[in-house]
Amino acid sequence: AAGVIQSPRHLIKEKRETATLKCYPIPRHDTVYWYQQGPGQDPQFLISFYEKMQSDKGSIPDRFSAQQFSDYHSELNMSSLELGDSALYFCASSLGLGLSSYNEQFFGPGTRLTVL
Amino acid sequence: ELKVEQNPLFLSMQEGKNYTIYCNYSTTSDRLYWYRQDPGKSLESLFVLLSNGAVKQEGRLMASLDTKARLSTLHITAAVHDLSATYFCAVDTGTASKLTFGTGTRLQVTL
Repeated sequence: AAGVIQSPRHLIKEKRETATLKCYPIPRHDTVYWYQQGPGQDPQFLISFYEKMQSDKGSIPDRFSAQQFSDYHSELNMSSLELGDSALYFCASSLGLGLSSYNEQFFGPGTRLTVL
Repeated sequence: ELKVEQNPLFLSMQEGKNYTIYCNYSTTSDRLYWYRQDPGKSLESLFVLLSNGAVKQEGRLMASLDTKARLSTLHITAAVHDLSATYFCAVDTGTASKLTFGTGTRLQVTL
């Protein structure tokens, strides 16, 4: 079965650089979520989109922005990178409002971002 | 603000033994999820619990949900080394809403 695809899988950047992470949800899934997981920590919700509109926002820095495109893929744009942004970034997808009574989220393999 | 706590945070157990991981959450919800994560890997969905009294079993793992007590348990029966991983519970409070994860329980099964 098709899974969530994330690219790149690994990314190394210098401080103050920018990065773009991409996420391709499971086919027919219309809701995408972004989570950040620091070393030894639990995943923290950043932002989500349903039908190309932002549906919820968590502890996402102002330096980060995201969007969902017409084909439902999503991109997380990160600017002015800081050392503390080094983490695993997961994208998850699910069937959203009106199509499912619950919210089982399926996670991609993650992008490991290292900021030097 | 929803808080989700797990205990223990770290569990070292011998093969063949039984143990339980506990997940407490602070607000009303009848949707709880358990995930497994191997080091540096993705989150694998284990169980989806959708109502009070729900119980699900898969192999040596069994999960249950008590929404009145705001408590879920993940019971491990006759542990084997392959179960070594970090286990997270997660709660959502609305349709298509974010997941709030517990602190995670790192399970190490020794021979």
